[in-house]
Amino acid sequence: RKEVEQDPGPFNVPEGATVAFNCTYSNSASQSFFWYRQDCRKEPKLLMSVYSSGNEDGRFTAQLNRASQYISLLIRDSKLSDSATYLCVIGSSNTGKLIFGQGTTLQVKP
Amino acid sequence: SQTIHQWPATLVQPVGSPLSLECTVEGTSNPNLYWYRQAAGRGLQLLFYSVGIGQISSEVPQNLSASRPQDRQFILSSKKLLLSDSGFYLCAWSIFRGGPAKISTDTQYFGPGTRLTVL
Repeated sequence: RKEVEQDPGPFNVPEGATVAFNCTYSNSASQSFFWYRQDCRKEPKLLMSVYSSGNEDGRFTAQLNRASQYISLLIRDSKLSDSATYLCVIGSSNTGKLIFGQGTTLQVKP
Repeated sequence: SQTIHQWPATLVQPVGSPLSLECTVEGTSNPNLYWYRQAAGRGLQLLFYSVGIGQISSEVPQNLSASRPQDRQFILSSKKLLLSDSGFYLCAWSIFRGGPAKISTDTQYFGPGTRLTVL
């Protein structure tokens, strides 16, 4: 089993749609959780950290489920500019490293 | 504010040639530094990390080496490139939390990357 697994997609949605991505992780000692966004041929950029209580930033909501070992990202009212690859990133306390998922590709269509 | 630079942005090299990629960070002291590689259509693979000057940890056996001659400078090198070294090389930094050998699971911030093609 991979340490971090994401559905690669692509997710093709119309503008204004709500889309959700899940990411599962295998290491129960994981202690930090992030979503990064990567545009085509660019570097990954932090979208948001994910906290145990869940957190929201505008149209983006991230949630953590430790019992089932997954995190999620919900995007409401999708914009064309949301088209990108979304990377799930998990930090492990016993390795001290971040593990990156392979990413989920989102394509928002007009 | 902190910024991270990488150069060159793009590089095309023949098999067997040497390589030197440079990364510098501004606006922070004693950062943790990282080199990643992203092959086409794949996830990020951690190659090296450093918690201080001259301190390099290698994650995977490979044809590459890294050095940290100054606090905010990180260099990725190879003596002889292979076709399989092609990819998108990313440098990243994170805040140093202390401890002799541990790297942190804090947020990492990436440079713009170097796209390397080995022919």
